[in-house]
Amino acid sequence: EAQVTQNPRYLITVTGKKLTVTCSQNMNHEYMSWYRQDPGLGLRQIYYSMNVEVTDKGDVPEGYKVSRKEKRNFPLILESPSPNQTSLYFCASSLSGNQPQHFGDGTRLSIL
Amino acid sequence: QKEVEQNSGPLSVPEGAIASLNCTYSDRGSQSFFWYRQYSGKSPELIMSIYSNGDKEDGRFTAQLNKASQYVSLLIRDSQPSDSATYLCAVFNYQLIWGAGTKLIIKP
Repeated sequence: EAQVTQNPRYLITVTGKKLTVTCSQNMNHEYMSWYRQDPGLGLRQIYYSMNVEVTDKGDVPEGYKVSRKEKRNFPLILESPSPNQTSLYFCASSLSGNQPQHFGDGTRLSIL
Repeated sequence: QKEVEQNSGPLSVPEGAIASLNCTYSDRGSQSFFWYRQYSGKSPELIMSIYSNGDKEDGRFTAQLNKASQYVSLLIRDSQPSDSATYLCAVFNYQLIWGAGTKLIIKP
């Protein structure tokens, strides 16, 4: 089954404790992206990757890191999480940037 | 600053009627346009994509694109309570820009 898999689905953690949210797709997609979604603000892009080893900042990259060492994986790293990073996070992938995106089920992060 | 604007709603439509959702965008060079549906707490799912001016129909859904006026709309015919959701418009030109979404409520 074609899918984008995010883990964990839910996480409650404390300020400053490094965390990684994994994202994996099995569709051989070139393009992958991370979003955060907050009430009233819609989807905001954090980082995106056009291909392996190619990543670029989206609209809200501060406090986040990503890497794209393999085509299928695109982890999101919070080196020192803060409460303002409490949000619902989505990973998405597509054949290319101008093609429809397939979304993971989301990760709800709470930073205390 | 590239922008995609949607009326936040809620838009309330009686069951069986036509729901009309609108989206305007600022980047005149935009090439790809998408409508996604998102239920509360769930991930967005693609409803329609449209790339050229005119109408594109898929079942009860019709997307309309007018590049000269820089708007894209989504019509939902014979609206059902299960259509109640937030509808997100997304526009691509080198970067995918998202609208904040319109909340649609279908009243039985």
